[in-house]
Amino acid sequence: QSALTQPPSASGSPGQSVVISCTGTSSDVGYYNSVSWYQQHSGKVPKLIIYGITKRPSGVPDRFSGSRSGNEASLTVSGLQAEDEADYYCSSYAGSNTVVFGGGTKLTVL
Amino acid sequence: QVQLVQSGAELKKAGASVKVSCKTSGYTFTDYDMYWVRQAPGQGLEWVGRITVKDGGTNYAQKFQDRVTMTMDTPTRTLYIEMTSLRPDDTAVYYCAKSWGWWSFDSWGQGTLVTVSP
Repeated sequence: QSALTQPPSASGSPGQSVVISCTGTSSDVGYYNSVSWYQQHSGKVPKLIIYGITKRPSGVPDRFSGSRSGNEASLTVSGLQAEDEADYYCSSYAGSNTVVFGGGTKLTVL
Repeated sequence: QVQLVQSGAELKKAGASVKVSCKTSGYTFTDYDMYWVRQAPGQGLEWVGRITVKDGGTNYAQKFQDRVTMTMDTPTRTLYIEMTSLRPDDTAVYYCAKSWGWWSFDSWGQGTLVTVSP
């Protein structure tokens, strides 16, 4: 159950798009359609923003989108806004009723 | 609306045990599995385990297999996580979280800070 790999940081200017990657293996990200993304503002509780690789819960802006290619999942934040500055975590089902998280990416809006 | 309310902060000495509760409301309790996730200070999220609310079955992350027990009390809609043989590196905020589907978690408790001193 090794953690998924995310870049520690990402940044972009308001209005720009940013892509955050999440690299796993053929036993988790690459195999199961169960990749999720969470947004966590400083001192706050995580919030689900993407599930099932590409699905958005009700109320999540369509500026947030998810995708996957092979063993790498990606979160794209389009039209960056100041309020998007937060930590982002990916997770994936890893088989045997277990889940693994990524190490997190700190997104800075310049 | 869905609410997950956790018990208060705990301060423990190394070697002790801790039990954290998570009281739920606002949804059909037996329809959704529950998870526990922890976050050490300044660190990322770490999956601890899962309880299948329908039958009480559990699955734990390998690193916690020997030290963690997840239980529930259906009449009070309350989940529990107990961790034994605590170490200073178990210091973290422990969250309960409700499943949504596709192994994701759509509602989270407010978190319980467990501090373990040497």
